[in-house]
Amino acid sequence: DGGITQSPKYLFRKEGQNVTLSCEQNLNHDAMYWYRQDPGQGLRLIYYSQIVNDFQKGDIAEGYSVSREKKESFPLTVTSAQKNPTAFYLCASSSNRDRGIYGYTFGSGTRLTVV
Amino acid sequence: AQKVTQAQTEISVVEKEDVTLDCVYETRDTTYYLFWYKQPPSGELVFLIRRNSFDEQNEISGRYSWNFQKSTSSFNFTITASQVVDSAVYFCALTSHNTDKLIFGTGTRLQVFP
Repeated sequence: DGGITQSPKYLFRKEGQNVTLSCEQNLNHDAMYWYRQDPGQGLRLIYYSQIVNDFQKGDIAEGYSVSREKKESFPLTVTSAQKNPTAFYLCASSSNRDRGIYGYTFGSGTRLTVV
Repeated sequence: AQKVTQAQTEISVVEKEDVTLDCVYETRDTTYYLFWYKQPPSGELVFLIRRNSFDEQNEISGRYSWNFQKSTSSFNFTITASQVVDSAVYFCALTSHNTDKLIFGTGTRLQVFP
């Protein structure tokens, strides 16, 4: 079945450490997105990529980094510079041909907790 | 700038009650697309409906219905005869050809009690 796989489901990080969240899709989608979800704040866009080897900052990119070396993969690194990384992270993808006007497909998310 | 407002943070109802979730949007584009997603406790966002700006017909899908009114920039979602399985966070979202992203509202948490 086609879809988006995010791993791990739960992740614990010590303060000062970088951590990488995985996102893989087999939908042959060109565009991929990372959102952060905090209680009461909805989904905020961190980074997005519309094509391999290219990506753009979203609304809250500070303290995060991404790479897009393969069409199927869009990993997100939460760096030690991110002041409050504890949150739920969602990865999504869409076909570039329609620029996302048919909506996105979402993964099941990774819950990151700083301990 | 585009914006989506879901003023209801949390709604609680008893099973079999009808409930309406409000969504108000802002955009300067004449062609745009509105969405509703459901987020159950498992966390994944599930697509419910997509509506383009040229189609103001209301839509019904089983117990779900959507009321799109351009005059008030609203795209409200009604669940008829709610069930416990409807308990989730519901997000309204907006995009257009002039933007690269889906803009989400802050979500409404619906709790349906037996």
